Amino acid sequence: QSALTQPRSVSGSPGQSVTISCTGTSSNVGGYNYVSWYQQYPGKVPKLMIYHVTERPSGVPDRFSGSKSGNTASLTVSGLQTEDEADYYCCSYAGTYSLVFGGGTKLTVL
Amino acid sequence: QVQLQESGPGLVKPPETLSLTCTVSGYSISSGFYWGWIRQPPGKGLEWIGNLYHNGNIYYNPSLKSRVIMSVDTSKNQFSLKLISVTAADTAVYYCATMTDSTRCDYWGQGTLVTVSS
Repeated sequence: QSALTQPRSVSGSPGQSVTISCTGTSSNVGGYNYVSWYQQYPGKVPKLMIYHVTERPSGVPDRFSGSKSGNTASLTVSGLQTEDEADYYCCSYAGTYSLVFGGGTKLTVL
Repeated sequence: QVQLQESGPGLVKPPETLSLTCTVSGYSISSGFYWGWIRQPPGKGLEWIGNLYHNGNIYYNPSLKSRVIMSVDTSKNQFSLKLISVTAADTAVYYCATMTDSTRCDYWGQGTLVTVSS
């Protein structure tokens, strides 16, 4: 069960949009509409930001959006704010009640 | 709102067994949901360890399956993790989490750092 592939880092200026990709296979990302995204500040607990590819839990700003095409899922953060600077992890259902995470992406707000 | 709290030793010697418990409040484990364990080595990414359902169905990460044992105690509203024959590579922050439908981790515990060292 190999980890999903994410870029190690992305960056953008306040107000801009950035997109973080998450590439898997037809056994995980491509095979199910069950991709989730987590935000994690240094030393803090991960927080669910997106689930089922596009759904936002209550309280998550609509600046965060998710999408998927084939074996690649994406998280887009629009109108970047300084507080968006964090690590982001994608996660996909991989069948038989199993999950696989990506390696994580550090988002830097310039 | 569901709250979770991990507990257990912060230091384990190799090749002993790592044992952690997750105490759930604000929701009865026996009412449903899946309950999971995730770990994060220092400075590294997240790794799913396994899930269990209140009825006792358990699902493990294939890469850890031979060393992991998960269980649930509905009378105490707790679920547990045992990882046998640990090595330094098992040093990590271990999180327990609620999983509404086994496809995502909705609520997380605060995490507990377990260091494997002699």
